[in-house]
Amino acid sequence: AQSVTQLDSQVPVFEEAPVELRCNYSSSVSVYLFWYVQYPNQGLQLLLKYLSGSTLVKSINGFEAEFNKSQTSFHLRKPSVHISDTAEYFCAVSSNRDDKIIFGKGTRLHILP
Amino acid sequence: IAGITQAPTSQILAAGRRMTLRCTQDMRHNAMYWYRQDLGLGLRLIHYSNTAGTTGKGEVPDGYSVSRANTDDFPLTLASAVPSQTSVYFCASSFGWDRPYNEQFFGPGTRLTVL
Repeated sequence: AQSVTQLDSQVPVFEEAPVELRCNYSSSVSVYLFWYVQYPNQGLQLLLKYLSGSTLVKSINGFEAEFNKSQTSFHLRKPSVHISDTAEYFCAVSSNRDDKIIFGKGTRLHILP
Repeated sequence: IAGITQAPTSQILAAGRRMTLRCTQDMRHNAMYWYRQDLGLGLRLIHYSNTAGTTGKGEVPDGYSVSRANTDDFPLTLASAVPSQTSVYFCASSFGWDRPYNEQFFGPGTRLTVL
């Protein structure tokens, strides 16, 4: 069985400061990893995904995540956050042996002025 | 229609009443899903459908039923609503169950309050 752990339920950070949202997973098979973002009063949308190949994946709005197989992690980072990044971020995992995606419980990113 | 639509946007319901949440997608996706989102619990899968005519149970199926008569629609029914079903409900779709790496597309959600 697969599972996802997001270690922080909330992360406050000052505007223009760097941020890291942590995600660890467990799985006995090869995995696909995702970060979804949910802006206030909206549905989830895909931010970035790791399928194979390069372990560093990037989004169009400056976020990046690195797949670390030995650490079973897929942490999300951004070097400088903006107020518009205020949202809840969900890490998720799936595999080629499962027809569903398993979501973590989410991390709320609070941007402080 | 573009993407996934859900109706109603919000609803207040008396306990014991029957309620159907509607979900429609126009992307010709094979797979569709219903989740509930509760504070501190994240997203939990209620039911899913790999293709029209088939459905399956997720993590929290009790008290809910679904049907998939065609590719586009995936309604979720609460036969007799209870206060613990107060939640935000999200419908999602993806290309297909045999391609799990494909992203899921989410609707805007339905906020349901059961009194």
